[in-house]
Amino acid sequence: QQPVQSPQAVILREGEDAVINCSSSKALYSVHWYRQKHGEAPVFLMILLKGGEQKGHDKISASFNEKKQQSSLYLTASQLSYSGTYFCGTGNAGGTSYGKLTFGQGTILTVHP
Amino acid sequence: DAGVIQSPRHEVTEMGQEVTLRCKPISGHNSLFWYRQTMMRGLELLIYFNNNVPIDDSGMPEDRFSAKMPNASFSTLKIQPSEPRDSAVYFCASSLPGGQPQHFGDGTRLSIL
Repeated sequence: QQPVQSPQAVILREGEDAVINCSSSKALYSVHWYRQKHGEAPVFLMILLKGGEQKGHDKISASFNEKKQQSSLYLTASQLSYSGTYFCGTGNAGGTSYGKLTFGQGTILTVHP
Repeated sequence: DAGVIQSPRHEVTEMGQEVTLRCKPISGHNSLFWYRQTMMRGLELLIYFNNNVPIDDSGMPEDRFSAKMPNASFSTLKIQPSEPRDSAVYFCASSLPGGQPQHFGDGTRLSIL
Protein backbone atom coordinates (compact mmCIF):
# COMPACT_ATOMS: atom_id res chain seq x y z
CA GLN A 1 0.00 0.00 0.00
CA GLN A 2 1.08 3.51 -0.86
CA PRO A 3 2.03 5.72 2.11
CA VAL A 4 -0.17 8.78 2.60
CA GLN A 5 1.39 12.23 2.57
CA SER A 6 -0.13 15.35 4.02
CA PRO A 7 -0.70 18.06 3.16
CA GLN A 8 -1.10 17.61 -0.60
CA ALA A 9 0.15 21.14 -1.20
CA VAL A 10 1.56 24.02 0.81
CA ILE A 11 2.37 27.60 -0.11
CA LEU A 12 4.93 29.56 1.88
CA ARG A 13 6.69 32.88 1.87
CA GLU A 14 10.47 32.86 2.11
CA GLY A 15 11.57 32.36 5.69
CA GLU A 16 8.47 30.45 6.80
CA ASP A 17 8.50 26.89 8.11
CA ALA A 18 6.66 23.79 6.85
CA VAL A 19 6.05 20.22 7.95
CA ILE A 20 5.25 17.36 5.59
CA ASN A 21 3.95 14.10 7.01
CA CYS A 22 4.15 10.55 5.65
CA SER A 23 2.05 7.76 7.17
CA SER A 24 2.06 4.06 6.39
CA SER A 25 -0.42 1.31 7.19
CA LYS A 26 2.40 -1.23 7.20
CA ALA A 27 5.33 -1.67 9.57
CA LEU A 28 8.23 0.45 8.42
CA TYR A 29 11.91 -0.35 8.29
CA SER A 30 13.03 2.84 6.59
CA VAL A 31 11.79 6.10 5.15
CA HIS A 32 13.49 7.95 2.31
CA TRP A 33 12.74 11.57 1.39
CA TYR A 34 13.19 12.95 -2.12
CA ARG A 35 12.56 16.30 -3.77
CA GLN A 36 11.59 16.65 -7.41
CA LYS A 37 11.62 19.91 -9.31
CA HIS A 38 9.38 20.33 -12.32
CA GLY A 39 10.68 18.44 -15.33
CA GLU A 40 13.55 16.91 -13.39
CA ALA A 41 14.33 13.63 -11.64
CA PRO A 42 13.71 13.05 -7.94
CA VAL A 43 16.76 13.88 -5.84
CA PHE A 44 17.59 12.11 -2.60
CA LEU A 45 17.40 14.18 0.61
CA MET A 46 17.78 11.75 3.50
CA ILE A 47 17.11 8.27 4.89
CA LEU A 48 15.73 7.43 8.31
CA LEU A 49 15.89 3.93 9.73
CA LYS A 50 13.65 2.44 12.38
CA GLY A 51 14.68 3.53 15.84
CA GLY A 52 12.89 6.85 15.96
CA GLU A 53 15.89 8.85 14.92
CA GLN A 54 15.95 12.36 13.67
CA LYS A 55 18.24 13.58 10.93
CA GLY A 56 18.95 16.84 9.28
CA HIS A 57 21.18 18.87 7.08
CA ASP A 58 21.11 22.59 6.63
CA LYS A 59 17.58 23.70 7.47
CA ILE A 60 15.86 20.45 6.46
CA SER A 61 15.40 17.70 9.00
CA ALA A 62 13.19 14.66 9.47
CA SER A 63 11.95 12.36 12.18
CA PHE A 64 10.75 8.76 12.16
CA ASN A 65 8.22 7.43 14.64
CA GLU A 66 8.25 3.66 14.31
CA LYS A 67 5.29 3.12 16.65
CA LYS A 68 3.07 5.49 14.72
CA GLN A 69 4.50 4.24 11.42
CA GLN A 70 5.07 7.76 10.22
CA SER A 71 7.78 10.21 9.32
CA SER A 72 7.79 14.00 9.18
CA LEU A 73 9.97 16.31 7.11
CA TYR A 74 10.69 19.74 8.60
CA LEU A 75 11.70 22.67 6.44
CA THR A 76 12.73 25.73 8.42
CA ALA A 77 13.37 29.25 7.17
CA SER A 78 12.33 28.17 3.69
CA GLN A 79 14.19 29.41 0.63
CA LEU A 80 12.99 29.78 -2.95
CA SER A 81 15.12 26.75 -3.85
CA TYR A 82 12.98 24.55 -1.60
CA SER A 83 10.09 24.70 -4.07
CA GLY A 84 9.24 21.36 -5.62
CA THR A 85 7.36 18.16 -4.94
CA TYR A 86 8.46 16.16 -1.92
CA PHE A 87 8.06 12.39 -1.88
CA CYS A 88 8.48 9.94 0.92
CA GLY A 89 9.46 6.39 -0.01
CA THR A 90 8.85 3.68 2.54
CA GLY A 91 10.76 0.46 2.91
CA ASN A 92 9.11 -2.48 4.62
CA ALA A 93 11.05 -5.25 6.28
CA GLY A 94 10.39 -7.76 3.53
CA GLY A 95 11.83 -5.71 0.74
CA THR A 96 14.47 -3.91 2.66
CA SER A 97 17.43 -6.01 1.72
CA TYR A 98 16.91 -5.06 -1.92
CA GLY A 99 15.96 -1.47 -1.25
CA LYS A 100 12.42 -1.62 -2.63
CA LEU A 101 10.49 1.57 -1.87
CA THR A 102 6.84 2.50 -2.16
CA PHE A 103 6.39 6.22 -2.80
CA GLY A 104 3.67 8.51 -1.49
CA GLN A 105 1.66 10.69 -3.83
CA GLY A 106 3.82 13.72 -3.17
CA THR A 107 3.45 17.12 -1.50
CA ILE A 108 3.78 20.21 -3.70
CA LEU A 109 5.70 22.94 -1.89
CA THR A 110 5.75 26.45 -3.34
CA VAL A 111 7.89 29.18 -1.80
CA HIS A 112 7.18 32.78 -2.82
CA PRO A 113 9.50 35.77 -2.29
CA ASP B 1 31.21 10.20 -11.41
CA ALA B 2 28.54 9.71 -14.07
CA GLY B 3 25.04 9.33 -12.75
CA VAL B 4 22.34 7.02 -14.04
CA ILE B 5 22.07 7.44 -17.79
CA GLN B 6 18.80 6.93 -19.60
CA SER B 7 18.03 7.05 -23.29
CA PRO B 8 16.23 8.35 -25.16
CA ARG B 9 15.21 11.49 -23.24
CA HIS B 10 12.08 11.87 -25.30
CA GLU B 11 10.20 9.38 -27.45
CA VAL B 12 7.12 10.04 -29.54
CA THR B 13 5.68 7.12 -31.43
CA GLU B 14 2.42 5.79 -32.75
CA MET B 15 0.19 3.30 -31.05
CA GLY B 16 1.16 -0.28 -31.79
CA GLN B 17 4.87 0.41 -32.20
CA GLU B 18 7.53 -1.23 -30.08
CA VAL B 19 9.29 1.07 -27.62
CA THR B 20 12.62 0.30 -25.95
CA LEU B 21 13.92 2.40 -23.07
CA ARG B 22 17.51 2.03 -21.95
CA CYS B 23 19.32 2.54 -18.67
CA LYS B 24 22.94 2.47 -17.54
CA PRO B 25 23.18 2.37 -13.73
CA ILE B 26 25.95 3.90 -11.66
CA SER B 27 29.01 1.65 -11.65
CA GLY B 28 29.07 -0.52 -8.54
CA HIS B 29 25.36 -0.22 -7.83
CA ASN B 30 23.80 -3.67 -7.81
CA SER B 31 20.12 -2.73 -7.43
CA LEU B 32 18.22 -1.25 -10.38
CA PHE B 33 14.66 0.03 -10.39
CA TRP B 34 12.26 1.02 -13.18
CA TYR B 35 9.51 3.52 -12.29
CA ARG B 36 6.66 5.11 -14.20
CA GLN B 37 5.38 8.57 -13.24
CA THR B 38 2.03 10.05 -14.23
CA MET B 39 -0.12 12.78 -12.75
CA MET B 40 -2.88 10.31 -11.93
CA ARG B 41 -0.86 7.46 -10.43
CA GLY B 42 2.25 9.21 -9.16
CA LEU B 43 5.58 7.35 -9.01
CA GLU B 44 4.99 3.62 -9.47
CA LEU B 45 7.61 0.90 -9.19
CA LEU B 46 7.40 -1.39 -12.21
CA ILE B 47 10.22 -3.87 -11.62
CA TYR B 48 13.52 -4.09 -9.82
CA PHE B 49 16.66 -6.14 -10.20
CA ASN B 50 19.34 -7.19 -7.77
CA ASN B 51 22.65 -8.40 -9.20
CA ASN B 52 21.00 -8.50 -12.65
CA VAL B 53 18.23 -10.84 -11.46
CA PRO B 54 14.60 -9.63 -11.53
CA ILE B 55 13.32 -9.73 -7.95
CA ASP B 56 9.81 -8.35 -8.19
CA ASP B 57 7.90 -7.53 -11.37
CA SER B 58 4.48 -7.27 -9.75
CA GLY B 59 4.27 -3.62 -10.77
CA MET B 60 4.53 -4.36 -14.48
CA PRO B 61 1.08 -3.42 -15.76
CA GLU B 62 0.63 -6.01 -18.50
CA ASP B 63 2.35 -8.62 -20.60
CA ARG B 64 3.06 -5.88 -23.09
CA PHE B 65 5.78 -4.69 -20.72
CA SER B 66 9.05 -6.57 -20.31
CA ALA B 67 12.42 -5.71 -18.76
CA LYS B 68 15.85 -7.25 -18.95
CA MET B 69 19.21 -6.72 -17.36
CA PRO B 70 21.75 -8.72 -19.37
CA ASN B 71 24.70 -7.35 -17.39
CA ALA B 72 25.54 -5.05 -14.50
CA SER B 73 25.80 -1.96 -16.66
CA PHE B 74 22.70 -2.13 -18.84
CA SER B 75 18.96 -2.61 -18.58
CA THR B 76 16.06 -2.22 -20.98
CA LEU B 77 12.33 -1.73 -20.55
CA LYS B 78 10.30 -2.71 -23.60
CA ILE B 79 6.68 -2.03 -24.44
CA GLN B 80 5.19 -4.02 -27.30
CA PRO B 81 2.69 -3.07 -28.59
CA SER B 82 2.50 0.44 -27.15
CA GLU B 83 -0.80 2.15 -26.30
CA PRO B 84 -1.67 5.81 -25.60
CA ARG B 85 -2.22 5.03 -21.90
CA ASP B 86 1.47 4.09 -21.67
CA SER B 87 2.36 7.77 -22.08
CA ALA B 88 4.32 8.79 -19.00
CA VAL B 89 7.79 9.63 -17.74
CA TYR B 90 9.81 6.47 -17.12
CA PHE B 91 12.64 6.68 -14.61
CA CYS B 92 15.44 4.27 -13.95
CA ALA B 93 17.20 4.39 -10.57
CA SER B 94 20.10 2.48 -9.07
CA SER B 95 21.46 2.02 -5.58
CA LEU B 96 24.03 0.20 -3.50
CA PRO B 97 22.73 -2.85 -1.59
CA GLY B 98 20.75 -2.77 1.62
CA GLY B 99 18.28 0.04 1.04
CA GLN B 100 20.77 2.79 0.26
CA PRO B 101 19.68 6.02 -1.50
CA GLN B 102 18.31 5.57 -4.97
CA HIS B 103 19.88 7.69 -7.70
CA PHE B 104 17.50 8.54 -10.51
CA GLY B 105 18.26 9.07 -14.15
CA ASP B 106 16.80 12.07 -15.97
CA GLY B 107 13.92 9.95 -17.25
CA THR B 108 12.40 9.20 -20.64
CA ARG B 109 9.31 11.21 -21.54
CA LEU B 110 7.22 8.82 -23.62
CA SER B 111 4.27 9.92 -25.73
CA ILE B 112 2.19 7.35 -27.58
CA LEU B 113 -0.09 8.89 -30.19
